[in-house]
Amino acid sequence: GQNIDQPTEMTATEGAIVQINCTYQTSGFNGLFWYQQHAGEAPTFLSYNVLDGLEEKGRFSSFLSRSKGYSYLLLKELQMKDSASYLCAYTTDSWGKLQFGAGTQVVVTP
Amino acid sequence: DSGVTQTPKHLITATGQRVTLRCSPRSGDLSVYWYQQSLDQGLQFLIQYYNGEERAKGNILERFSAQQFPDLHSELNLSSLELGDSALYFCASSTGGRETQYFGPGTRLLVL
Repeated sequence: GQNIDQPTEMTATEGAIVQINCTYQTSGFNGLFWYQQHAGEAPTFLSYNVLDGLEEKGRFSSFLSRSKGYSYLLLKELQMKDSASYLCAYTTDSWGKLQFGAGTQVVVTP
Repeated sequence: DSGVTQTPKHLITATGQRVTLRCSPRSGDLSVYWYQQSLDQGLQFLIQYYNGEERAKGNILERFSAQQFPDLHSELNLSSLELGDSALYFCASSTGGRETQYFGPGTRLLVL
């Protein structure tokens, strides 16, 4: 997505913490989503932020600052199965079409 | 398993041909979205239907069309296929609006 940026790749060790940043620019904003996608598989929903602040869900947390056009996904206690692409996406209208970033490939090493 | 089904899983065809991809949303979901994912473009929104009516259009080529039927399943028709149309095509469904979208397993299209 041309108005949404996230790092291409991040590497971390099993058991560690990784933070994936996402910045976006849009004139309208109705919420930010994070999805996980393993190679060749469907994206699976991780989190949704519409208000500023931190949303925690088990090992995964997501933060949003609407004024800064910034979000991050925090993955704690990394496991090998967390190796995947993490997609940041925002929606600008009430119908929910998503504008996706290119994804961040997270590689978890032993 | 998201509850969204897509058929076929794989499709190999030749340039100039036409194909139809099918999607059944999760039970109770009225909204269906189609996305294209290619290596160089990432996930791109194509089109959305809500309860049978088109609600939003994205980067969908004129050679592509879609519809949602009364039983809420949706079909994406791709015609005059080109090599560049080779991609993963995902369908997603939601109850509507800004609710979470759940993705189907995708159809992998290869145009030779």
